[in-house]
Amino acid sequence: EAAVTQSPRSKVAVTGGKVTLSCHQTNNHDYMYWYRQDTGHGLRLIHYSYVADSTEKGDIPDGYKASRPSQENFSLILELASLSQTAVYFCASSGTGTVNERLFFGHGTKLSVL
Amino acid sequence: QQQVRQSPQSLTVWEGETAILNCSYEDSTFNYFPWYQQFPGEGPALLISISSVSDKKEDGRFTIFFNKREKKLSLHITDSQPGDSATYFCAASPSSGSWQLIFGSGTQLTVMP
Repeated sequence: EAAVTQSPRSKVAVTGGKVTLSCHQTNNHDYMYWYRQDTGHGLRLIHYSYVADSTEKGDIPDGYKASRPSQENFSLILELASLSQTAVYFCASSGTGTVNERLFFGHGTKLSVL
Repeated sequence: QQQVRQSPQSLTVWEGETAILNCSYEDSTFNYFPWYQQFPGEGPALLISISSVSDKKEDGRFTIFFNKREKKLSLHITDSQPGDSATYFCAASPSSGSWQLIFGSGTQLTVMP
């Protein structure tokens, strides 16, 4: 079974602080994604990557950076965390990125910015 | 602008009943529609999907009905079980441009024993 592991599972951050969320996959997948989940908004794509050392902007990239140092690892970075970034963040991976490709999600990171 | 809409926001049914979850979309170029199931504390997982060339897709107790003309889908869960209690997301994929999935806001289903 494909595996996507996120860390930490939850985090409390202070406004203006730096936050790094990590994701590791053992699926040998090329594509990795960061989604944000808010009540009433479903899942929204922040950044994605299809190859190591390259990232692409999704639908809501403002206030976030991403890093893909290797095929297995994909990080989401909040340089200056804000209250509005309180949400649950999901990492996902897929094999080829084609439209009918199944996404494998991690368990999520609950981020609270105070 | 929400391109994929789901209703109701929450739904409660009794064990054994059929739960009907609705989804609609705006962009006529969307041609692939997966449904993801999410249990509390977990990430979403693909449940069932349909492409625009079909009007029905069945997998056990789960069936998608698709009306391309009206841009509407529905997920029917027959003989609902308490273990089906979860949030269900409808998503849609455009046929052109870079790969992406647009998710609806979800329907929270509760099945009462």
